[in-house]
Amino acid sequence: GAVVSQHPSWVICKSGTSVKIECRSLDFQATTMFWYRQFPKQSLMLMATSNEGSKATYEQGVEKDKFLINHASLTLSTLTVTSAHPEDSSFYICSARAASGGRNEQFFGPGTRLTVL
Amino acid sequence: GQQLNQSPQSMFIQEGEDVSMNCTSSSIFNTWLWYKQDPGEGPVLLIALYKAGELTSNGRLTAQFGITRKDSFLNISASIPSDVGIYFCAGTYSGAGSYQLTFGKGTKLSVIP
Repeated sequence: GAVVSQHPSWVICKSGTSVKIECRSLDFQATTMFWYRQFPKQSLMLMATSNEGSKATYEQGVEKDKFLINHASLTLSTLTVTSAHPEDSSFYICSARAASGGRNEQFFGPGTRLTVL
Repeated sequence: GQQLNQSPQSMFIQEGEDVSMNCTSSSIFNTWLWYKQDPGEGPVLLIALYKAGELTSNGRLTAQFGITRKDSFLNISASIPSDVGIYFCAGTYSGAGSYQLTFGKGTKLSVIP
């Protein structure tokens, strides 16, 4: 149980294009999903917290107009990198919170490798 | 924001040896989680801890939530080659947004066969 999928697993795009990444909780409902980015040999950096049916909360320094997040259902959140540039190349990982009896466990997707040319 | 100090940063061990890594914080944490990440993959949850003093095992892995609520350790017994990877501690604390995880910088484990 507690499986999170991401699609696509990797994407290469031209500078200036937009890229959408999907995050799905496959066997549980996730009222809260999180988006992270990870640079090589570094830890995960939280970009935003996404609650189903409401606007995402972005971390300081993360441009909300550049990284559009939609959490339309309890099993799906999407991250759209708009007008991508080479500096946006990174490993993007989502996680979904499985709430159970007050416990707080986050399960991560396999990540999406974005390369912007 | 709050930062977690995770150590060691990396370690090389012989297969069969035991491994220990830990995380400390300056603030009280409510939850401690330990994850393992393989190259090109997302982190996989190993152990979750919710109470001070809690000691939990998952196979050869054992983790504890420190009594002061400011630290946690992860032990791996009788290491095997597939234990290779980066281990992250993570936790939640009252000062952050609901359920947000703060991550340590990771411990890179290498196992020599």
